[in-house]
Order: sequence, then structure tokens, then C-alpha cells
Amino acid sequence: DTGVSQDPRHKITKRGQNVTFRCDPISEHNRLYWYRQTLGQGPEFLTYFQNEAQLEKSRLLSDRFSAERPKGSFSTLEIQRTEQGDSAMYLCASSLALPEAFFGQGTRLTVV
Amino acid sequence: SQQGEEDPQALSIQEGENATMNCSYKTSINNLQWYRQNSGRGLVHLILIRSNEREKHSGRLRVTLDTSKKSSSLLITASRAADTASYFCATKGQGAQKLVFGQGTRLTINP
Repeated sequence: DTGVSQDPRHKITKRGQNVTFRCDPISEHNRLYWYRQTLGQGPEFLTYFQNEAQLEKSRLLSDRFSAERPKGSFSTLEIQRTEQGDSAMYLCASSLALPEAFFGQGTRLTVV
Repeated sequence: SQQGEEDPQALSIQEGENATMNCSYKTSINNLQWYRQNSGRGLVHLILIRSNEREKHSGRLRVTLDTSKKSSSLLITASRAADTASYFCATKGQGAQKLVFGQGTRLTINP
């Protein structure tokens, strides 16, 4: 499968725990995006990488959120001290250049 | 806040009928895209229309763009049960490095 891969697909965690999600983009894509989607809403932009550089972060990305793309390939999104409001689908997308972006299947996070 | 606003928020029609969804946006754009999302899954790109285009077709899909009204519509003809999904418009502003999505239209095709 040469599409965008996200792991895990589902994560249930207790409030206060830390979670980390991984995204493997399409191999030749230098741009990587993270979005968050709550039930019944459209995806909201979180952050954007070009190669290993994080070039833009949304105000939605509080201090508890951190994203990395250490070698310009895969990316991780970590949420520290999870809250119930963090429950959402976290989507990763990659592209060579906008407007075309290819999305993964997402990681559904449930904080209990 | 979201740049795009879809209308209606939900649409339920009979199989074989046409479905029309609308999207409005606020700022100048280079292009507008429509995506489909099946329940609990990722987004799948459907069609892109550039700001200098007025209409585009792809199979059973027809997209129109009116930059003077800052609006777009997606028409799905001869709907099928498999078209049941949420549909989102996404815009890329001039110089922007991200896509901005609307709230989506939940389309249900009844057999």
C-alpha cells in the first residue's frame, strides 16, 4: 500500500495519560499535515511540515500537543495529559504541492 | 473558524435522484476541492476546480464555481447507495500552505 498510513487506527486512553500517533506519508511527499476532526464537523488544521521543518501551527495546537517529523519522513503527534475534549479523529495528509493532498484513514482517539 | 460553509448540513434522497450540495467561502482562493468521507474513514479527493474555471465534470460529478459569489456547488447525478457519505469543500487561499475545510454535508441515499 503506497498511500498515507496512520497508526494506530483507534486509541482509547484515560484522561491525563499521554498518547502518540504516527503518520507515514507517501514516500516522495515532502509536505505533511495534521488535522483534527470532531464528530459532525470538518477537519481543522493543526500543523504543517515541509521536510523536517514545522512551518505552521494552529492556535488549536495547545502546549499539550507536539508534532515532530525528525528525518522528513514519518511524523508523530503527541498529546500530553489528555482531556476529554481531545477526543476526535486525527487525520494526516501528505502532498508534493498543494492543492493535491492525500489523506490517511485517521486515528480515532477516545479519552475516557 | 472554517472558511467554507456547506449547505445543506444533511441531505437524504432516493437512489437514482440527483444530489446538490453548496459551499460558500470568504476569502480569495486559488482553487476549490471537494472531498468525500465515508463514516469513520479518511477523506478521498473527488474533484478540483481552479479559480479561473466555472464548471468541471468528472463521471457523475459536476462542480461549478462562482468566484463573484464566493460559492461552489457539487452535483452528483443518478445517485447510488454507495454515494452515502459526508462531502466537504476545501479551499486554498492565495499564498496559503494549507487547505481549509467546510463543515460538510451528510448525504444519505435511500435504496
